[in-house]
Amino acid sequence: GAVVSQHPSRVICKSGTSVKIECRSLDFQATTMFWYRQFPKKSLMLMATSNEGSKATYEQGVEKDKFLINHASLTLSTLTVTSAHPEDSSFYICSAQKQGSGYTFGSGTRLTVV
Amino acid sequence: ILNVEQSPQSLHVQEGDSTNFTCSFPSSNFYALHWYRWETAKSPEALFVMTLNGDEKKKGRISATLNTKEGYSYLYIKGSQPEDSATYLCASSGYSTLTFGKGTMLLVSP
Repeated sequence: GAVVSQHPSRVICKSGTSVKIECRSLDFQATTMFWYRQFPKKSLMLMATSNEGSKATYEQGVEKDKFLINHASLTLSTLTVTSAHPEDSSFYICSAQKQGSGYTFGSGTRLTVV
Repeated sequence: ILNVEQSPQSLHVQEGDSTNFTCSFPSSNFYALHWYRWETAKSPEALFVMTLNGDEKKKGRISATLNTKEGYSYLYIKGSQPEDSATYLCASSGYSTLTFGKGTMLLVSP
């Protein structure tokens, strides 16, 4: 089956620092990965589509300079939350689609900015 | 319907009860309807992907139906077990992206 590994699962950082979250497809190549964010009692909301070898596509209202996405290989996409603030505290989760299969998700990252 | 809506928000049943949840989605520009089962601290697990009006899919005690004309899908669990406790998410997809509902949180008590 298709497996996506995401880490860290939980991170606490100080306000003003940057945090990197990794998303890896373990047994398939993913030209496209997706990053979602979920606030308490809200739906998973798509933040951006990460494209291997090219710039990410950001959804309306998501700051691309704030949430840096790098998809340098067919198995790895990273999301860096730059100069994090408490309002960036949220649950972040990635997904990838293996050809012929549905979407496979990582297990998510709980970010707390203090 | 503009968004993907799920009901109920949460549900608490006894072991052995059968239950069902609803997912409503915009019927315009519809491509596929996805159901996921999501346990805490784990990855959402894909249950079903349905595309055709009238589709019915089954996986063990769990089944789902799809009505694309009126924009709804039902998920049924027959004879609920404690291990069925999880959040059940539905998502509607266009060509490549998913729009999620808020999920239905199911708790099954022994």
